[in-house]
Amino acid sequence: ELKVEQNPLFLSMQEGKNYTIYCNYSTTSDRLYWYRQDPGKSLESLFVLLSNGAVKQEGRLMASLDTKARLSTLHITAAVHDLSATYFCKVLRDSNYQLIWGAGTKLIIKP
Amino acid sequence: NAGVMQNPRHLVRRRGQEARLRCSPMKGHSHVYWYRQLPEEGLKFMVYLQKENIIDESGMPKERFSAEFPKEGPSILRIQQVVRGDSAAYFCASSPRDRGEQYFGPGTRLTVT
Repeated sequence: ELKVEQNPLFLSMQEGKNYTIYCNYSTTSDRLYWYRQDPGKSLESLFVLLSNGAVKQEGRLMASLDTKARLSTLHITAAVHDLSATYFCKVLRDSNYQLIWGAGTKLIIKP
Repeated sequence: NAGVMQNPRHLVRRRGQEARLRCSPMKGHSHVYWYRQLPEEGLKFMVYLQKENIIDESGMPKERFSAEFPKEGPSILRIQQVVRGDSAAYFCASSPRDRGEQYFGPGTRLTVT
């Protein structure tokens, strides 16, 4: 069964702390996407990871991809309240270009 | 380059009425996806279309729902005889090719009373 699993699904953390969100997938893929969604808003593209070992960074967020382990991580460094949102990963399946979404990780960062 | 446009942004319908949701993709994009999202939940894929073709409708309910993307004009998601369970946010995304890159519209929030 095709699966994209994110964990945790919910994360409450203090400002200034570091944490990592994980995205595991069960299909072969070398293309993974991260999106952010603020409450009541649409989805905003954060990162596109196109190959094994890819690492992208934007501000306090860093995403990486390990296609052999079928794992992507989204690391948050010294979290600030403005990063509170729901984060989704999405995988492009190699065999038929199907797009598979994770369930999302709701991140709350407390001052 | 204008982004993906959806209208209306908010739509209220009574049970039994029809809802028509429109999506204008970004300029040069010929691939459109529709998703449904319930509050506090993830995205549920509904349908993937290219101009004049439905490529994948595996996420569409068998009855009452239909989608089109004509040669000219926006993509339309049509819900006939709406029920309360259809209340949700409906997002459209467009893509220049079928390789996963998607740009999302602001969504249409449908409320069925």
